[in-house]
Order: sequence, then C-alpha cells, then structure tokens
Amino acid sequence: GQQLNQSPQSMFIQEGEDVSMNCTSSSIFNTWLWYKQDPGEGPVLLIALYKAGELTSNGRLTAQFGITRKDSFLNISASIPSDVGIYFCAGRNSGGSNYKLTFGKGTLLTVNP
Amino acid sequence: NAGVTQTPKFQVLKTGQSMTLQCAQDMNHNSMYWYRQDPGMGLRLIYYSASEGTTDKGEVPNGYNVSRLNKREFSLRLESAAPSQTSVYFCASSFSAGELFFGEGSRLTVL
Repeated sequence: GQQLNQSPQSMFIQEGEDVSMNCTSSSIFNTWLWYKQDPGEGPVLLIALYKAGELTSNGRLTAQFGITRKDSFLNISASIPSDVGIYFCAGRNSGGSNYKLTFGKGTLLTVNP
Repeated sequence: NAGVTQTPKFQVLKTGQSMTLQCAQDMNHNSMYWYRQDPGMGLRLIYYSASEGTTDKGEVPNGYNVSRLNKREFSLRLESAAPSQTSVYFCASSFSAGELFFGEGSRLTVL
C-alpha cells in the first residue's frame, strides 16, 4: 500500500519558536491535508491543499503542496502552548479509489512555556 | 452542531465478546469511514462507505464488519474481540472524496 513518511516523529520546542514538519510519499497525490489532534480528541482539519505548488496559510500555520506532488510541508510560526498535540499529514491520489486517505504516523509537538 | 457522534466513548471487553460501535453524522455527508489509531501507527482505515448502500475494505479490515444503516449512520462490529483490537476507533465523514471530519473517538480495551 501507499506510505507516507512524516518527520520528525516528535519535537520539543520553546514557546515562540517556529516549527517545521513535512511528509513525503512514493506516490503522486492530488490532495494534501494537515490535521491536528489534541489529547483525547479526534483529528481536526487545519489546512487543505489541492494544487501542486499551492501555499496556504491559516493564521500562524502555513502549508505547501510540493511541486513534485510527492511532498508537503507545514510550518507553525511563533508557537504557543496550545499548539501542543499530534499533527498528521494525509494524502489522496487520483488513482484507484479516491475515497481513501493515507495518513502519516504523526508528529508529536511539545511546547515548553 | 454535533458533527460526528460516536458511542460508546469507552468500552472494556473480554476476549471473544462482541460489540458494535455506533457512528452518526448530521452534516449530510455521502461518505463515512472507520479508522483505528494505535501508538506509533497513525490512523489506519478499517472500512469505508463511499455512499449509502456501499461498503469497502480499507487497510486493516480483518476481524471487523460494518453496516451503513442509512445516510447518517455507519456502525462497526467486532464479532469476537481479540486483544489486538485494543485501540482508539475514530469515525469520520466527508462529502464524497472531500475533507474528512472526525468524531471524538471510542477507546476500546480487550482483555
């Protein structure tokens, strides 16, 4: 099956620092999604990307759809304690059943006040 | 708005027991999904239903059955629970192949 490599697995940062995480795939995707999961909750959609090269922001979050269509990046600027959680990338390709999203294994973010 | 509602939120079973996880969405979405989340494994698709009346296997369907009861409801059944099915289960829904909206999860422990 398809695999997404998400890195890093975990990050420990100080409040105010910027954060970068990324996902790479062996397959071409036509959609990239970034989710955040708070402890004890379900994942919540942060940003959706639909075009190669697309750069989209949502407040302090910025995500990009890689030009090769095999990768995506999420940046968080000026981190705050409530940014703590697990961040997941997810991709969908145009082949086969396009109802299936493939998820990365997540990046656990810890922010020290 | 409730969004995606899952019940129960917590359940403890003994090996061999059966149970059904219920999921309902009020967003008029066509597609519904069941995922499991295990430490270090991310989210893995168990089954999905692209539209009312259809269901398809995902990545890890063994040991599970599903029923798309109507457009709103999609249930996941464990006929004979095993310790390997200890996990957190998430239901999700979407408009066709669009963005997924998740429930809060059901934490299942099989002893």
